[in-house]
Amino acid sequence: ETGVTQTPRHLVMGMTNKKSLKCEQHLGHNAMYWYKQSAKKPLELMFVYNFKEQTENNSVPSRFSPECPNSSHLFLHLHTLQPEDSALYLCASSQDRQAYGYTFGSGTRLTVV
Amino acid sequence: GQSLEQPSEVTAVEGAIVQINCTYQTSGFYGLSWYQQHDGGAPTFLSYNALDGLEETGRFSSFLSRSDSYGYLLLQELQMKDSASYFCARASNTGKLIFGQGTTLQVKP
Repeated sequence: ETGVTQTPRHLVMGMTNKKSLKCEQHLGHNAMYWYKQSAKKPLELMFVYNFKEQTENNSVPSRFSPECPNSSHLFLHLHTLQPEDSALYLCASSQDRQAYGYTFGSGTRLTVV
Repeated sequence: GQSLEQPSEVTAVEGAIVQINCTYQTSGFYGLSWYQQHDGGAPTFLSYNALDGLEETGRFSSFLSRSDSYGYLLLQELQMKDSASYFCARASNTGKLIFGQGTTLQVKP
C-alpha cells in the first residue's frame, strides 16, 4: 500500500452502465489528481483538485465526472463510456498543488465492453 | 508546448550504470520529476529537480540543465529489481505534472 487506496482494482462495465471509481488518502495531502494510463501512451492528466476545489479539467469528456467531497476522498463517476476509455485510472495526491512528489494509488484497471 | 521526450527502451546488465535522458519544452517549465513504475504497480516518486545540478539519493541520481532543457536519471549498481518503467515529468508553474511516455529499463543478469 502506498498511502493512496483505490477501489475497485478491476472493473468491467458495459457502455450503458454507470459506475464510480473511489480514491482515498490519509496522508494529510490537500491536492488530489486523476490520471489515465493507456498502453503505449504517457500518463494523461485528467483532473486536479486543490483543497476540494477543481483547478484543472484537461479537456476531459463529460462522460467522466469527478467529485471531491473532502481532501481525503476523490471519486470519478463514469457513464456511457466507450471501448477506447479502457485504461488504468490512477489517483494521486500531494501536499499541495505546488508539491511535485506525488503519491499514486495502484489504480483501477477499467475495461469497457 | 509541454511535451517531453525520453527513449522508449533501455537494456543494461546487472551492476552496470545506466542513464535515462529526458528533454522537454520550456513553456511554463518549473521543474523535473522522475517516477518508477513496475508492471502492475503504482508509479513511485524518485526525485524532483527545480534547480540545475545533480541530486543524489542512494543508487539513483537526477540531473537538470535548464539552459539545455534537459535532464537525466542515473541508476548505478543496477539490480534486477530495477527493471521497470521510468517516467520523467515536467512540473508547470500552474501546479500540474505532465508525464513523458516512459522508458522501459530491462536489467539482464
